[in-house]
Amino acid sequence: GENVGLHLPTLSVQEGDNSIINCAYSNSASDYFIWYKQESGKGPQFIIDIRSNMDKRQGQRVTVLLNKTVKHLSLQIAATQPGDSAVYFCAENYGGATNKLIFGTGTLLAVQP
Amino acid sequence: DTEVTQTPKHLVMGMTNKKSLKCEQHMGHRAMYWYKQKAKKPPELMFVYSYEKLSINESVPSRFSPECPNSSLLNLHLHALQPEDSALYLCASSPPWGTLETQYFGPGTRLLVL
Repeated sequence: GENVGLHLPTLSVQEGDNSIINCAYSNSASDYFIWYKQESGKGPQFIIDIRSNMDKRQGQRVTVLLNKTVKHLSLQIAATQPGDSAVYFCAENYGGATNKLIFGTGTLLAVQP
Repeated sequence: DTEVTQTPKHLVMGMTNKKSLKCEQHMGHRAMYWYKQKAKKPPELMFVYSYEKLSINESVPSRFSPECPNSSLLNLHLHALQPEDSALYLCASSPPWGTLETQYFGPGTRLLVL
């Protein structure tokens, strides 16, 4: 049955602060990574992606860092806003003949006004 | 436009009912996916269609039956579901399979099985 009482890891930040959400991925052969934002009652929304031949990529207010040595991915959000409150999932793509994504467990970002 | 639409938004069904979930995209994507998401968990892949052919079935029970009538539409037929099948069902699409491309998700159908 349901794992009653399961809690998502939570990051609580003050509005205007920078946020860093971390993710450990599982497969050293993964060559494409995506961060998704999922607001309550909605589907995952693409934020930013990065390929394994890069270690940093910047978007609008967001930066993704990739450390292949330790299989670690992070999402940095600058000047966090209340609208950033959501669950954030990292996803890795094993590549090869499929486009199969494997999602991390997710982090709940709670922005305090 | 990166929009994937899903209908209905909410669905309540009994264990003896037959219902269908629908998904549509007009981005020219040739890969479409069904995911199941339980509360406070990440999405779990159920099926993948590539060029309208079923390519991956993640050992999903036969009470879930996917269908891809054309390159823009994806259906999930439901029959004799169990209460534990209650979840958010997400559809996604991506450019042709074999490339490392982003999957774009729809808003989901929240299913409750009584």
